[in-house]
Amino acid sequence: QVQLVQSGAEVKKPGSSVKVSCKASGGTFSNFAISWVRQAPGQGLEWMGGIIPIFGIANYAQKFQGRVTITTDQLTSTAYMELRSLRSEDTAVYYCARDLAAGFDFWGQGTLVIVSS
Amino acid sequence: EIVLTQSPGTLSLSPGERATLSCRASQSVSSSYLAWYQQKPGQAPRLLIYGASSRATGIPDRFSGSGSGTDFTLTISRLEPEDFAVYYCQQYNSSPPYTFGQGTKLEIK
Repeated sequence: QVQLVQSGAEVKKPGSSVKVSCKASGGTFSNFAISWVRQAPGQGLEWMGGIIPIFGIANYAQKFQGRVTITTDQLTSTAYMELRSLRSEDTAVYYCARDLAAGFDFWGQGTLVIVSS
Repeated sequence: EIVLTQSPGTLSLSPGERATLSCRASQSVSSSYLAWYQQKPGQAPRLLIYGASSRATGIPDRFSGSGSGTDFTLTISRLEPEDFAVYYCQQYNSSPPYTFGQGTKLEIK
């Protein structure tokens, strides 16, 4: 059974950066893609980007291009999402999810990021 | 970018009734790369349907998906109390971005 465990909640100042981790267990980490999805309070789901660890190539939603970087560490089976130049609108729960090109079948528990001065 | 529009925004039904949720794409979704998710308050989304009509592991058979091209439907044949939640469709075409619909809230009447 695949499990994705994310890092804890963060409070950040506007203009700063946040890096959220997502550690996978069960399954072969290199063989599946990881996507990052965020959800602002009371809002819907928004795909930010994804990566296939074995290739190390990330794709990003145009909205986040230049401000987000998704990476992986295959040694620790951990994916990371770094978002820079934070603003209040980035306050959201950030999820990682396993992407098998057949939907996102396993999700992390979510990481709340609050951006506030 | 493919835009997904879900309808209705809110659906009010009683347990035991049939629910029909719609998802329309702004352009054709190839090879039926369309998924449905259920999300309850404070929880991560749960995959229900992928490939437009295949149930994910452990999903009860009262959930079914259908459709192709630009029009897709999620049907819940007989609503159970635990089915009241928000439902999202998602397209994961051959290349990103993988967009979501805005969601349909299924509430108890």
